[in-house]
Amino acid sequence: GAVVSQHPSWVICKSGTSVKIECRSLDFQATTMFWYRQFPKQSLMLMATSNEGSKATYEQGVEKDKFLINHASLTLSTLTVTSAHPEDSSFYICSATLSPGQMWNEQFFGPGTRLTVL
Amino acid sequence: ILNVEQSPQSLHVQEGDSTNFTCSFPSSNFYALHWYRWETAKSPEALFVMTLNGDEKKKGRISATLNTKEGYSYLYIKGSQPEDSATYLCARNYGQNFVFGPGTRLSVLP
Repeated sequence: GAVVSQHPSWVICKSGTSVKIECRSLDFQATTMFWYRQFPKQSLMLMATSNEGSKATYEQGVEKDKFLINHASLTLSTLTVTSAHPEDSSFYICSATLSPGQMWNEQFFGPGTRLTVL
Repeated sequence: ILNVEQSPQSLHVQEGDSTNFTCSFPSSNFYALHWYRWETAKSPEALFVMTLNGDEKKKGRISATLNTKEGYSYLYIKGSQPEDSATYLCARNYGQNFVFGPGTRLSVLP
């Protein structure tokens, strides 16, 4: 159980276009989803926390107008990279928790999306 | 800013060797420490959640220990197998959020 999918697994786009990445919890309801970005040889860096039905909370330095997050249902969160530029090329990965409450709730991860902006 | 470090960055061992890696983190306001195994092209897989100082967890040939007072955790793999090849990530809770280390990349040579 606790499977998270992500789509697409990789995408190549032209500079200036927008790209949408979907994160789905397949067999559980996720009240909270997280979006991370990873640059080569670096840690997973949290971009934002997304709670179903409310606005996402962005980490310092992450542009909310650039990275639009929508968490419209308990099983789906989307990240849209608007007007993508080559510096947005990165590996984006989402995770989800089963329920809030405990601080050490396990996060279940999707397989990630490799974005390349030409 | 919470900084989680992992060492070594990468490791090559022969099949059958035992190995261990380190995760170090600030010890103040500690909630939990998580270990994940991340194989290429797959989702990170949770190995352990550790909350108490002195915790020891074991899953098959993999075990982990936790020292919250000095801010470190060790992950041990006994008798490494090629299928253990992966990146091993640790993460410390900061509120409900995770702060990850950069990972230790393990390659087990047959």
